[in-house]
Amino acid sequence: NAGVTQTPKFQVLKTGQSMTLQCAQDMNHNSMYWYRQDPGMGLRLIYYSASEGTTDKGEVPNGYNVSRLNKREFSLRLESAAPSQTSVYFCASSELTSVSYEQYFGPGTRLTVT
Amino acid sequence: GDSVTQMEGPVTLSEEAFLTINCTYTATGYPSLFWYVQYPGEGLQLLLKATKADDKGSNKGFEATYRKETTSFHLEKGSVQVSDSAVYFCALIPFNAGNMLTFGGGTRLMVKP
Repeated sequence: NAGVTQTPKFQVLKTGQSMTLQCAQDMNHNSMYWYRQDPGMGLRLIYYSASEGTTDKGEVPNGYNVSRLNKREFSLRLESAAPSQTSVYFCASSELTSVSYEQYFGPGTRLTVT
Repeated sequence: GDSVTQMEGPVTLSEEAFLTINCTYTATGYPSLFWYVQYPGEGLQLLLKATKADDKGSNKGFEATYRKETTSFHLEKGSVQVSDSAVYFCALIPFNAGNMLTFGGGTRLMVKP
C-alpha cells in the first residue's frame, strides 16, 4: 500500500513555464485535495474533488487548474508559473465516514519559480 | 469565516520536558478538531482528533481536549523526546462541512537531547 504518491518531488521553473503535478492514491478514496504550504500560513486549499468527475475551487485557486483523471488520480496544472507560486504542494485524499474525517497526505512537491 | 490560531514557534525544549502548544479557533456551531504532525521531509499525518465538546483526543503520549467554552484545543505531552521534533498543525472541519480542513499556521517543535 503506497498511500498517496506525488511526482515530482522537486521542480524548478522559470516564470511563464507550465507544468503538471501528479498525484495518485491507492486507498479507493472518493475525495482528493491539493494544498500549498507557505511559511507561517499553514496549508491552504487550492482545489478539491469530492468525487470522481467533480472539482471545486478552494481558498487560493487563481493560477491553477486541476483534472480528476479517474478515481485514483488528481493532477494540478500551472499554466504560466509565477514566483508567487513558489511553495510546497501537497496532495491528500480522504473518505468521509461517520467516525473519521482523516485526510491522508502525500510527501509533497517543492516547487521553485525563478 | 472559520479560522485557527496557533502559537508561533519555534518551541525549543529539552528532552523529557512538558509540552504545550496552544490552539484556539473561530467557527460556528460545533466543528471537529484535529492535530496533524509533519516530520522533516514528509507529508502531514493525523496525530489526534476530537469531534465534540469535552472529548479528549490522544495518541503517542500526546493529548488535547476540546474546550467549547474557551474555543481551544491545546496540545500537550508530559515528556517530549527528540523524535517528537516536527511541525504541528491544529485544524478544524466545520460542522456539516464534509471533510474540508482549515489549518492553523503550524508550530515548529525542536527537542534537544
